[in-house]
Amino acid sequence: GAVVSQHPSWVICKSGTSVKIECRSLDFQATTMFWYRQFPKQSLMLMATSNEGSKATYEQGVEKDKFLINHASLTLSTLTVTSAHPEDSSFYICSAPSAGAQETQYFGPGTRLLVL
Amino acid sequence: KNEVEQSPQNLTAQEGEFITINCSYSVGISALHWLQQHPGGGIVSLFMLSSGKKKHGRLIATINIQEKHSSLHITASHPRDSAVYICAVRSRGNEKLTFGTGTRLTIIP
Repeated sequence: GAVVSQHPSWVICKSGTSVKIECRSLDFQATTMFWYRQFPKQSLMLMATSNEGSKATYEQGVEKDKFLINHASLTLSTLTVTSAHPEDSSFYICSAPSAGAQETQYFGPGTRLLVL
Repeated sequence: KNEVEQSPQNLTAQEGEFITINCSYSVGISALHWLQQHPGGGIVSLFMLSSGKKKHGRLIATINIQEKHSSLHITASHPRDSAVYICAVRSRGNEKLTFGTGTRLTIIP
């Protein structure tokens, strides 16, 4: 089946630094990818929709200047958490919909971010 | 009120029991997903439904569009089924998913 990978799987950084997370579709092309954030014991919250070749669409309350999204190719989207703060510590997950009549969502394994 | 409600929030059962997890939603949808999230965080898509019923191994998912309700059933439950099960709906006209809060299932040997 289709696979979506994320890198890194976990990262620890100091407050004020920027962290880049990559999301790749390994065996299919994705013109759209989604970025989610999940705090402990809570469900996934959609942060933004990443669109290949155009600007990302951000959900209400998500700062676009803090969470930079670049959909560089049909298989790669990146999320950069700029000037990270401890409250940005979370589990970040991407997903990509497959194409076709049986469209489904393939999720990446997630990136656990801890900001000290 | 959340657009997607799941029940129960937590469920503990003995190995072998028949499990039912429910999902109700309040918006018009084009599809409903059942997802499984293991303790490490990785998410697997179990089913995508737009009508009727689907079966995969010991898992069965049903949806009633008129009643805006879906159920996920697990037959002959096993400890490896222990996970968080999440219902997510895709609204008509866009690809975004709205997620339920999840049901934490624990199967005791």
